[in-house]
Amino acid sequence: EAGVTQSPTHLIKTRGQQATLRCSPISGHTSVYWYQQALGLGLQFLLWYDEGEERNRGNFPPRFSGRQFPNYSSELNVNALELEDSALYLCASSLFSGSGNTIYFGEGSWLTVV
Amino acid sequence: AQSVAQPEDQVNVAEGNPLTVKCTYSVSGNPYLFWYVQYPNRGLQFLLKYITGDNLVKGSYGFEAEFNKSQTSFHLKKPSALVSDSALYFCAVRDEAGTASKLTFGTGTRLQVTL
Repeated sequence: EAGVTQSPTHLIKTRGQQATLRCSPISGHTSVYWYQQALGLGLQFLLWYDEGEERNRGNFPPRFSGRQFPNYSSELNVNALELEDSALYLCASSLFSGSGNTIYFGEGSWLTVV
Repeated sequence: AQSVAQPEDQVNVAEGNPLTVKCTYSVSGNPYLFWYVQYPNRGLQFLLKYITGDNLVKGSYGFEAEFNKSQTSFHLKKPSALVSDSALYFCAVRDEAGTASKLTFGTGTRLQVTL
């Protein structure tokens, strides 16, 4: 069974540009989560989608946005890129949003802003 | 608000020796606790979780963790460390109510196992 898949693996953008990251959850999973792992800042919660709706977002500015498609895949958009947006962006999925369900992570997308 | 503390940035252990990676948590209700491992330039891999029941939870690769409600701890353990266990380990918590449904992670502990 395929795990959570993310694309692209690496992305280099210039400051001010937009970046789009994509995620396919494990088959049957309806909840998708996005986390940012920046150097020295640990894992920061970005967004949670469930059944196509944004259910919660972390303490990030509005230029971080995303959506979940009817097939439960998701994309994360980062507008007006800043140097400090350089990070590993991790997507994760779970069966549904129940607290005891395990969240499984993808390998991540490395975003470098120059 | 829920939070996790991993008091050690790094743990060093010799191969074959037992290892412990510490984690304490704070939640408003009953906790759901998780351990993940991250190898260099990789995503997070699920190791084990505590939901309810037996306080000693067994997981992947010979790891186990002990839930202690009175000490609000969930330490990760392994009886005999391997060099291949060297990685970054994250403890995470979610409250029973599933508020916001997100996992809150600790800052991570780097485990270094040497020959």
